[in-house]
Amino acid sequence: DAEITQSPRHKITETGRQVTLACHQTWNHNNMFWYRQDLGHGLRLIHYSYGVQDTNKGEVSDGYSVSRSNTEDLPLTLESAASSQTSVYFCASSDDGWNSPLHFGNGTRLTVT
Amino acid sequence: KNEVEQSPQNLTAQEGEFITINCSYSVGISALHWLQQHPGGGIVSLFMLSSGKKKHGRLIATINIQEKHSSLHITASHPRDSAVYICAVPLIQGAQKLVFGQGTRLTINP
Repeated sequence: DAEITQSPRHKITETGRQVTLACHQTWNHNNMFWYRQDLGHGLRLIHYSYGVQDTNKGEVSDGYSVSRSNTEDLPLTLESAASSQTSVYFCASSDDGWNSPLHFGNGTRLTVT
Repeated sequence: KNEVEQSPQNLTAQEGEFITINCSYSVGISALHWLQQHPGGGIVSLFMLSSGKKKHGRLIATINIQEKHSSLHITASHPRDSAVYICAVPLIQGAQKLVFGQGTRLTINP
């Protein structure tokens, strides 16, 4: 069965370190998204991609970057981790078309100390 | 003002009760999504709808485009329905980028 997987599930890192969260989907979806989820906020969009070599900033993109070198993967990099980036991160993918469902990974809980 | 507002934020009910969760939005949409986030954290898509009503098992979602309002109903609720329910709408008509409500935490007691 097709799936979307995130790794690691949990990560503790120190302030200032570079961190990369992996997202891999086997749905062959063009669209991939990274969200963060924090108490008091809904899911907020960090970056998204509509296809290979396409990346776009979301509403909370500062301090994050992504790259899309193939259809399956959209890694999220925190260039210099900050405590404000402690959060749960979700990757999602969808097919083209406004009525395509989103498929979510299981999330990565990141703690920056 | 949030673009997507859900109510109530928290809801506790007894097993068997009829549940209604509401979602109001201020942006134009092509499709509204209802999602379920399990206590373990996983998120699954329940419905996408752009008009009328959809039903899946004991879950029913309705939308009124003119009033910019959607409801999610659960009939004969069960403790396994306990989860956070989230609605989301596209930021731009026809786009894939979504803006999410803050979620409704539902607890069904046996």
